[in-house]
Amino acid sequence: TQLLEQSPQFLSIQEGENLTVYCNSSSVFSSLQWYRQEPGEGPVLLVTVVTGGEVKKLKRLTFQFGDARKDSSLHITAAQPGDTGLYLCAAAVTNDYKLSFGAGTTVTVRA
Amino acid sequence: DAGITQSPRHKVTETGTPVTLRCHQTENHRYMYWYRQDPGHGLRLIHYSYGVKDTDKGEVSDGYSVSRSKTEDFLLTLESATSSQTSVYFCAINQQGVGEKLFFGSGTQLSVL
Repeated sequence: TQLLEQSPQFLSIQEGENLTVYCNSSSVFSSLQWYRQEPGEGPVLLVTVVTGGEVKKLKRLTFQFGDARKDSSLHITAAQPGDTGLYLCAAAVTNDYKLSFGAGTTVTVRA
Repeated sequence: DAGITQSPRHKVTETGTPVTLRCHQTENHRYMYWYRQDPGHGLRLIHYSYGVKDTDKGEVSDGYSVSRSKTEDFLLTLESATSSQTSVYFCAINQQGVGEKLFFGSGTQLSVL
């Protein structure tokens, strides 16, 4: 059983459309991270959220941490082909010290 | 980019043979991790190290061992490779442990035939 459930598993959209990726769990997290991975490379950190209800913006990407610190979302506005990749959420449960990853959402933005 | 080098980048081996993957860092970070990535499972932690000769198991450690004799090197060994260990292996590092940003290497694609 995956600690972090990501949805959808795959997402294919046209350039200029918006998309949202979700990361959910029944556990409470001390912090949550979002990574983006391109083929043949390791994941690269996009953002870390720490406070319940926190919203962070990174250009066209908006990250939200749930009030109860059990879930998060990533919203991309006006997606571009360069946003194509595998998006992974990762988190540590408050009483644990190991980082767990979701299975990822593969995003394809068509030109 | 963080100075992390994984070697080899690709390897094909036969069932039952020993295999060692190497992770080398030039950042002098305290923590080093080995993950495997498989479709539908995301990244799963195999072993990690919190200092020279200090290591601990992750969630999928069976069939794997690690060693860290120097700060910069973290070795992952498959004592007797099995087909279920076919995967992409990633090394990651950070300085302060869980909750801090992870820097990943480019991965090793291992195929066990």
